[in-house]
Amino acid sequence: NAGVTQTPKFRILKIGQSMTLQCTQDMNHNYMYWYRQDPGMGLKLIYYSVGAGITDKGEVPNGYNVSRSTTEDFPLRLELAAPSQTSVYFCASTGTSGTYEQYFGPGTRLTVT
Amino acid sequence: GENVEQHPSTLSVQEGDSAVIKCTYSDSASNYFPWYKQELGKRPQLIIDIRSNVGEKKDQRIAVTLNKTAKHFSLHITETQPEDSAVYFCAATPPFGNEKLTFGTGTRLTIIP
Repeated sequence: NAGVTQTPKFRILKIGQSMTLQCTQDMNHNYMYWYRQDPGMGLKLIYYSVGAGITDKGEVPNGYNVSRSTTEDFPLRLELAAPSQTSVYFCASTGTSGTYEQYFGPGTRLTVT
Repeated sequence: GENVEQHPSTLSVQEGDSAVIKCTYSDSASNYFPWYKQELGKRPQLIIDIRSNVGEKKDQRIAVTLNKTAKHFSLHITETQPEDSAVYFCAATPPFGNEKLTFGTGTRLTIIP
């Protein structure tokens, strides 16, 4: 079991560029989440998904898009990158309703210059 | 939505002493309260959690207490060791909330040898 994996580990983008952060879990979890963590701050929810084909906005969705075509994958798309999107991005997943424990991926450190 | 406040933001204790971190939440319907530990450059990992039908839970040197009336819960670490140095996050989730967690802003705990 690899758990939750994310690629890439690090990325530097120029302002206005786009990219996709990949997230995959092999635990057959229904629920998946994307968070961003700014330096010295807590985790803010960007988007989440309760199953394949179903996504919804979290607390800070502006500038991002997601899709969930399979149970395993939950990519996060950044369009027109801005310096304010410099952050560490964590993907997480949890199992069936009532389980609650979230398993985090190792994170992607993104810098926009 | 749920709002979680966490105090203090930084905490330094002598090795062997106890550390206490406190969180308050706003949604009286919240029923699950986890604590995550994040070491420098690593992903958050669950260390202990408590559900609303329990007042206290212990796991070796760590314990969590919950006061539903006052809507606050606390993390207690006894006999602190250097490896306890990390950032600790509390979180809360309401029922039927698609398993979403609302995180506190974190406490940076430093153990002084």
